[in-house]
Amino acid sequence: DIQLTQSPSFLSASVGDRVTVTCRASQGISSFLAWYQQEPGKAPKLLISAASTLPTGVPSRFSGSGSGTEFTLTISSLQPEDFATFYCQQLNSYPFTFGGGTKVEIK
Amino acid sequence: QVQLQESGPGLVKPSGTLSLTCAVSGVSISNSYWWSWVRQPPGKGLEWIGEVYYTGSTNYNPSLKSRVTISVDTSKNQFSLKVTSVTAADTAVYYCARQGYSYGSGFDSWGQGTLVTVSS
Repeated sequence: DIQLTQSPSFLSASVGDRVTVTCRASQGISSFLAWYQQEPGKAPKLLISAASTLPTGVPSRFSGSGSGTEFTLTISSLQPEDFATFYCQQLNSYPFTFGGGTKVEIK
Repeated sequence: QVQLQESGPGLVKPSGTLSLTCAVSGVSISNSYWWSWVRQPPGKGLEWIGEVYYTGSTNYNPSLKSRVTISVDTSKNQFSLKVTSVTAADTAVYYCARQGYSYGSGFDSWGQGTLVTVSS
């Protein structure tokens, strides 16, 4: 199985901050990586597909980059509704796997 | 607008079988999408269980493969999950989800999730 390691696992930030989360894959996964945002008690929401593609409706402050084994999710200016847990997921090969999550909390 | 809704018992006895259904609305399940089950133990991360195509083709997570069956019912526009020989470790919120159309796309639609507790 492909292991995904997210860092940091916990992040404390303020509204307006620029935030970066990293996801490293144990082997190359091309650009088959997705990012999700999960608020407490809710289902995950797709933020980014194919490493850098924003689905319709996702705010432009979110961006994704990377390919191969290293990927980043960036929030250019953190908003109050962005405080949540973020997960990466690889869809390059079975079984699909998720990173351990990064919890973003208010400083 | 596609909507997914999980249903099934919220409590299952140890060694029993967990059975859930995901009703799909707003799109035909026979369109070219893969339909997945994902679970999340309380306070923990996400685990992909497996997926089904409208033809009945499936892919499973090897960690669960011996106990899991995912099936599709195109006449009812729904797909289902069965997990046999459950233990407390199977206690989780279970989500159904749709993978986006393009190869390697993320899961663009999710059900709200349903908590299944394994306990006597």
